[in-house]
Amino acid sequence: KNEVEQSPQNLTAQEGEFITINCSYSVGISALHWLQQHPGGGIVSLFMLSSGKKKHGRLIATINIQEKHSSLHITASHPRDSAVYICAVSLVSGTYKYIFGTGTRLKVLA
Amino acid sequence: DARVTQTPRDKVTEMGQEVTMRCQPILGHNTVFWYRQTMMQGLELLAYFRNRAPLDDSGMPKDRFSAEMPDATLATLKIQPSEPRDSAVYFCASGRTGKTGELFFGEGSRLTVL
Repeated sequence: KNEVEQSPQNLTAQEGEFITINCSYSVGISALHWLQQHPGGGIVSLFMLSSGKKKHGRLIATINIQEKHSSLHITASHPRDSAVYICAVSLVSGTYKYIFGTGTRLKVLA
Repeated sequence: DARVTQTPRDKVTEMGQEVTMRCQPILGHNTVFWYRQTMMQGLELLAYFRNRAPLDDSGMPKDRFSAEMPDATLATLKIQPSEPRDSAVYFCASGRTGKTGELFFGEGSRLTVL
């Protein structure tokens, strides 16, 4: 069993839909990260969370430390949101060693 | 706009050739990571440097891979000899030690070994 699990693996949505991607982890963490990777592109850090909720534009990330679970929400989805979203956890404060989930491939149709 | 710079962006080479990938971390960052991404394995840690010292290279095949930081502005990943199974995208990421733990990734170097 992977230490970081994401669901779903693949997701197709219509433009405008509300999207949720989930991440569960089984280890103690100092922070959880949501990353975005466009096809053929680099990796961009969207959020880093250690508690609560963060919002940036149409993206919202939440984390429940007790339940070891995080969600990434996209409101009013758009075709440009099509990408792979990767959940990663860092284990010990300041060491930066990430454990990555396998990613969720999102396709938003116009 | 500070960013991690990787070269080359794309490299096609023949089996047995030496490949060197370079990374310029963000100025002031003292941790550097090399990751390899494949469809099958996802992102795998190859090497991790802090203040130019290698702290963890357990994910790196030692017989053919080597990673160094000749100075604070340059990290290199070398494969010699390269093999087709090394075909992947190699990412460099940098960060600054402290409480935040946030990493900044480069655009990646896509390697194809024929």
